[in-house]
Amino acid sequence: NAGVTQTPKFRILKIGQSMTLQCTQDMNHNYMYWYRQDPGMGLKLIYYSVGAGITDKGEVPNGYNVSRSTTEDFPLRLELAAPSQTSVYFCASTSTGGSTDTQYFGPGTRLTVL
Amino acid sequence: AQSVSQHNHHVILSEAASLELGCNYSYGGTVNLFWYVQYPGQHLQLLLKYFSGDPLVKGIKGFEAEFIKSKFSFNLRKPSVQWSDTAEYFCAVNGWGDYKLSFGAGTTVTVRA
Repeated sequence: NAGVTQTPKFRILKIGQSMTLQCTQDMNHNYMYWYRQDPGMGLKLIYYSVGAGITDKGEVPNGYNVSRSTTEDFPLRLELAAPSQTSVYFCASTSTGGSTDTQYFGPGTRLTVL
Repeated sequence: AQSVSQHNHHVILSEAASLELGCNYSYGGTVNLFWYVQYPGQHLQLLLKYFSGDPLVKGIKGFEAEFIKSKFSFNLRKPSVQWSDTAEYFCAVNGWGDYKLSFGAGTTVTVRA
């Protein structure tokens, strides 16, 4: 089991460019999440999904889009990159979405927008 | 809306010292509480969690946390730290039935050999 994998590990974007952050899990988990982590701010939820074809906004969704066409994949898209999107992005998943479930995290993608 | 406050931004300790990290939450209902840890270069992983029963919860690597409902707190403790405990520690909370977590800002712990 690879768990939750994310690509790329690092990326530098210019303002206005677009990119997709990939997230894949091989645990057959229904619930998947995208967070961003900024220094001194903890993790903020961007988007989440409760199953294939179902996504919803989290706390900080502006400037991002997601899709969930399969159980395994949950890509995060930045359409017009801005310096405020410089952050570390984490993908996570849980099996049933129960409130006591453990979230399993990927290794993160460090994104810099210049 | 729920929120989580971690009081210490950066803690520096010597090996064998005791560690206590504060976590307070704001939420109007019954909560589940978590501590996650991120070791340098590794994924965030669960250290321990509380959802019911004994308010003193034991986790991996000798860590424990105590839920004090009257104080809205879930402080993390370890009696004797090791150099390998150097990491960032995050407190998180959700309400019963809610599958979304709210995280605190994190505390960086540096243990000096």
